[in-house]
Amino acid sequence: QKEVEQNSGPLSVPEGAIASLNCTYSDRGSQSFFWYRQYSGKSPELIMFIYSNGDKEDGRFTAQLNKASQYVSLLIRDSQPSDSATYLCAVKTSSNTGKLIFGQGTTLQVKP
Amino acid sequence: KAGVTQTPRYLIKTRGQQVTLSCSPISGHRSVSWYQQTPGQGLQFLFEYFSETQRNKGNFPGRFSGRQFSNSRSEMNVSTLELGDSALYLCASSGPGTGHTSPLHFGNGTRLTVT
Repeated sequence: QKEVEQNSGPLSVPEGAIASLNCTYSDRGSQSFFWYRQYSGKSPELIMFIYSNGDKEDGRFTAQLNKASQYVSLLIRDSQPSDSATYLCAVKTSSNTGKLIFGQGTTLQVKP
Repeated sequence: KAGVTQTPRYLIKTRGQQVTLSCSPISGHRSVSWYQQTPGQGLQFLFEYFSETQRNKGNFPGRFSGRQFSNSRSEMNVSTLELGDSALYLCASSGPGTGHTSPLHFGNGTRLTVT
């Protein structure tokens, strides 16, 4: 079992729709969870992070965390073609470390 | 604030050679981590340095090494290059604290091609 799993996609949504990206992790002791966006040929860009159960909103983005189910998701409201990218879920399994465990990423395509 | 700066952006090397990559973290960040990204394996953790000490290490052979200087700048070295070392090498910094709420910020990466 992979430590962090994501559906590779592609996930295709029409412009203006809600895109839902999901991630599961295996280490129950994981501390915090990060979503990065990566455009083709570019480096990962931090979108947001969450470490408490529940929802965290930032603009059009909402991260949701359910530690009991070992599940984290990212919702993108009013999706735009510029949101088309690979979304990487990453997990920090302990404090005081720069080590993140990444999923393989989900490719999102937003069609005009 | 300036972001994480990596140099060079591109490198082409021959099998058997060695290479050194450089990373300057965001000002005030003391933790620097290195990652390798390939299409097949995705993003994999190489190692992390904090206050000039290696704090964590991933599952890479000893040919991969690094160091951190007193100004938090970091270098990674790959010796005896193999074709499979061709990848995007990413440096990330975090801080000033390094607890679980400190996100990593990535540089633009160094694209290494080994021929």
